[in-house]
Amino acid sequence: DAKTTQPPSMDCAEGRAANLPCNHSTISGNEYVYWYRQIHSQGPQYIIHGLKNNETNEMASLIITEDRKSSTLILPHATLRDTAVYYCIVSAWWGAQKLVFGQGTRLTINP
Amino acid sequence: EAGVTQFPSHSVIEKGQTVTLRCDPISGHDNLYWYRRVMGKEIKFLLHFVKESKQDESGMPNNRFLAERTGGTYSTLKVQPAELEDSGVYFCASSQGWGAIGSMNTEAFFGQGTRLTVV
Repeated sequence: DAKTTQPPSMDCAEGRAANLPCNHSTISGNEYVYWYRQIHSQGPQYIIHGLKNNETNEMASLIITEDRKSSTLILPHATLRDTAVYYCIVSAWWGAQKLVFGQGTRLTINP
Repeated sequence: EAGVTQFPSHSVIEKGQTVTLRCDPISGHDNLYWYRRVMGKEIKFLLHFVKESKQDESGMPNNRFLAERTGGTYSTLKVQPAELEDSGVYFCASSQGWGAIGSMNTEAFFGQGTRLTVV
């Protein structure tokens, strides 16, 4: 699977939008972009995924560039409970097959 | 609906002992996965069951690790004998479907993990 690059840490004020970038310049045409997060002492939690179109669900929005080499996860109104490590993963498979988590971005939401 | 459940939540054992971790997937989920994060490193895939069969065990570190899923329901992961480097958090996940996106597919749900400490 393609590798991803994320900033190690980010801060965001509560109530503001949190924008988490991810580079995946070697992504293949059949690979999707997934985002998971891990809140302290919990298991990873699926957030959203996409192929080439922007996606939105109740948790977040995913913006994928036209060349698919990078993406941004947007938490529109961050709360303190969104403090977590966020992982950007590319994979051609669904379920949880061989997900490559990487180091992720530690997002801290400040009051 | 109950989520993925793992037992125990914590385990402390001595080097050389045996430990068995258990995972109960979400009811009806044919697919079960084991992952682990050893100290200071990334979360790594261990293996994938489809019902009772091992679909992919390429991530299993060595033959001290044995995973089973008899009857296609819950799964156990046994470490025998445990070594210091096995310390970490072991996660289990389940999903209803699997495969290339566009075919049968669904979201994966992770359990809270078992924290294993080998002393």
